[in-house]
Amino acid sequence: EIVLTQSPGTLSLSPGERATLSCRASQSVASTYFAWYQQKPGQAPRLLIYSASTRATDIPDRFSGSGSGTDFTLTISRLEPEDFAVYYCQQYGSSRQATFGQGTKVEIK
Amino acid sequence: QLQLQESGPGLVKPSETLSLTCSVSGGSISSSSYYWGWIRQPPGKGLEWIGSIYYTGNPQYSPSLKSRVTISVDTSKNQFSLNLSSVTAADTAVYYCTRDKKDYYALGSYGADYWGQGTLVTVSS
Repeated sequence: EIVLTQSPGTLSLSPGERATLSCRASQSVASTYFAWYQQKPGQAPRLLIYSASTRATDIPDRFSGSGSGTDFTLTISRLEPEDFAVYYCQQYGSSRQATFGQGTKVEIK
Repeated sequence: QLQLQESGPGLVKPSETLSLTCSVSGGSISSSSYYWGWIRQPPGKGLEWIGSIYYTGNPQYSPSLKSRVTISVDTSKNQFSLNLSSVTAADTAVYYCTRDKKDYYALGSYGADYWGQGTLVTVSS
């Protein structure tokens, strides 16, 4: 099973600042099958990025994804108040076995 | 607009079987483009993938739950279901059903683009 490790666990930032979230895989992951999600309290997660770098429908361009192999990054260029949430990475490869990272909480400083 | 809705008991006794159904509306479950999945989230914790199924069958399960999980699909009702046997308090969680976009040329998925609202299942006597 591929283990995804996210860092940091919590990111304390102010609105307008840049957020950089990391996700490291225990073995190489196909970028095609790598995604990021946002979850706000009491809500279901929402797909933000798929195929490592493609924004999902209606996702603003301040969200961007990058990476390949074992290292992936989610960047929020300028934090808006609605961006403070928990973010999860996920891989869902050709073995049809999916795993999630443990999450990074982006909180208001 | 596609909608997914989980239904089932909110309280299950230890050692019994948890059974949930996801009803799909606004689209057909019999699409070659998607898997249909289950994900859970214990209170205050992260997301755990349980498994997924294609409309023709062939479910895949998380290795950690494989011995206790069954996912099935009923295309006539546009529904899919989750059974989790021999539950304990550790299975208490919000359970989400999802639609996962499938790679047309391979078996992988691009991620879950639609989610149900989630249903809390508590395991307690």
